[in-house]
Amino acid sequence: GIQVEQSPPDLILQEGANSTLRCNFSDSVNNLQWFHQNPWGQLINLFYIPSGTKQNGRLSATTVATERYSLLYISSSQTTDSGVYFCAVIRPGGYNKLIFGAGTRLAVHP
Amino acid sequence: GAGVSQTPSNKVTEKGKYVELRCDPISGHTALYWYRQSLGQGPEFLIYFQGTGAADDSGLPNDRFFAVRPEGSVSTLKIQRTERGDSAVYLCASSLFANTEAFFGQGTRLTVV
Repeated sequence: GIQVEQSPPDLILQEGANSTLRCNFSDSVNNLQWFHQNPWGQLINLFYIPSGTKQNGRLSATTVATERYSLLYISSSQTTDSGVYFCAVIRPGGYNKLIFGAGTRLAVHP
Repeated sequence: GAGVSQTPSNKVTEKGKYVELRCDPISGHTALYWYRQSLGQGPEFLIYFQGTGAADDSGLPNDRFFAVRPEGSVSTLKIQRTERGDSAVYLCASSLFANTEAFFGQGTRLTVV
């Protein structure tokens, strides 16, 4: 099956710093989503981005489907950005399940 | 409702007991998914419903696990003869159609003692 690898596994930032999280996937995808799992376990939708670039406030994401990777940019990080960031993909060909990476655990310190 | 709702939020049960976990998807969403998340890992797919039918149940770990969605809206995940290894957070998600943006509920934390 498709492999989804996220890097780095852990990241510690000082408030105000910028960061880039990466998601590599081993096969073509129809769907790619980025989620933030907050300390209470809720998965919050960040981006639905099978290809291209999107921006939402301090966050932006780029997916280069032909090269099988996606990047999540966090600028001017805040302590509320702490949590785990997951990338998840769906393969083409009638497979409708999201396959998740192991996540990047982010801690932002004041 | 405004979002995906799961009940209960927490469930503690004794080994060998039967449990039911409920998911209320976003109104109008035809696709519904169950996932299981163990500590420190990403969610893992269990089952996908399109309408009332289970279109893909390849992620169910064994025949103790079963899920239904009789009217194409609310779904129930049923676990028989629970084992300590079943302890995890069970997440439900829904999307308007298959392969569109999925939205998750807050999960049910199941603890088998």
